[in-house]
Amino acid sequence: DIVMTQIPLSSPVTLGQPASISCRSSQSLVHSDRNTYLSWLQQRPGQSPRLLIYKISNRFSGVPDRFSGSGAGTDFTLKISRVEAEDVGVYYCMQATEFPPTFGQGTRLEIK
Amino acid sequence: QVQLQESGPGLVKPSQTLSLTCTVSGGSISSGDYYWSWIRQHPGKGLEWIGYIYYSGSTYYNPSLKSRVTISVDTSKNQFSLKLNSVTAADTAVYYCARSDDFWSGISAFDIWGQGTMVTVSS
Repeated sequence: DIVMTQIPLSSPVTLGQPASISCRSSQSLVHSDRNTYLSWLQQRPGQSPRLLIYKISNRFSGVPDRFSGSGAGTDFTLKISRVEAEDVGVYYCMQATEFPPTFGQGTRLEIK
Repeated sequence: QVQLQESGPGLVKPSQTLSLTCTVSGGSISSGDYYWSWIRQHPGKGLEWIGYIYYSGSTYYNPSLKSRVTISVDTSKNQFSLKLNSVTAADTAVYYCARSDDFWSGISAFDIWGQGTMVTVSS
C-alpha cells in the first residue's frame, strides 16, 4: 500500500495568518492516465470528513478560495491563506492513484 | 442533495459479525454514476478504507480486510451494507459510509460522507 506521511502532526496558527500542511507519498502518485489522484479532507471536531481539494489543486464545490492545493509526484501541500476559527480541525491527505486508497495520519490545526 | 446515514448496533461481541447499513437519500444508488464505500476511523486515529460496491454488485475490498468483509447492495431500498466477521477489539471504530465517482475518470475522491456510527467490540 502507498504510505502517506503528513508534516506537521500539529500546527498552531494565529487567526488571520497563513497555514501550510505537507503530505508525502511513499511512491509517485502519477497515474498511468497522467492524472494525480491526491485529495485533501477536513474533519472538524465531532464531524465527518469533508472533501476540500481533489486531484492536487481542484477545490470542491463550496470550498472557500482561501484553501489551495499544490504539488506533484510525491510531495503535496495544502495551504490556507488566512486561517479562520472555523478551520480548526484535522486535515487528511488521501491518495486514490493506487488501490487501496490510503490516508495520511492527519494534521491537527489549532488556534494559538 | 444526497445524504448518507449509517445504522446498526453500537456494540458487538468479540468473534461475532459486525453489520451496518447505509441508507442513501436524495439520489439513487442505481444511477450508476457513483461507487459506495465503507471507511472506518479508529478512536483518535486516522482513516482506513474498507471497500466499495457499485450498484451492479461489483465490489473491491481492502486486501487487509478482504477475508472478513462483505459489502452488499439493495437497490430497492437504496441501501448498501457492510458485514465484518470475526471481530476483535481492534475493529472498534467509527464507521462511515461515503460516496465517490468512478475512480480514475472523475474526481476520484470521497465527496459525500455519512455522519458515522461508533461500533465498539466488547464482551
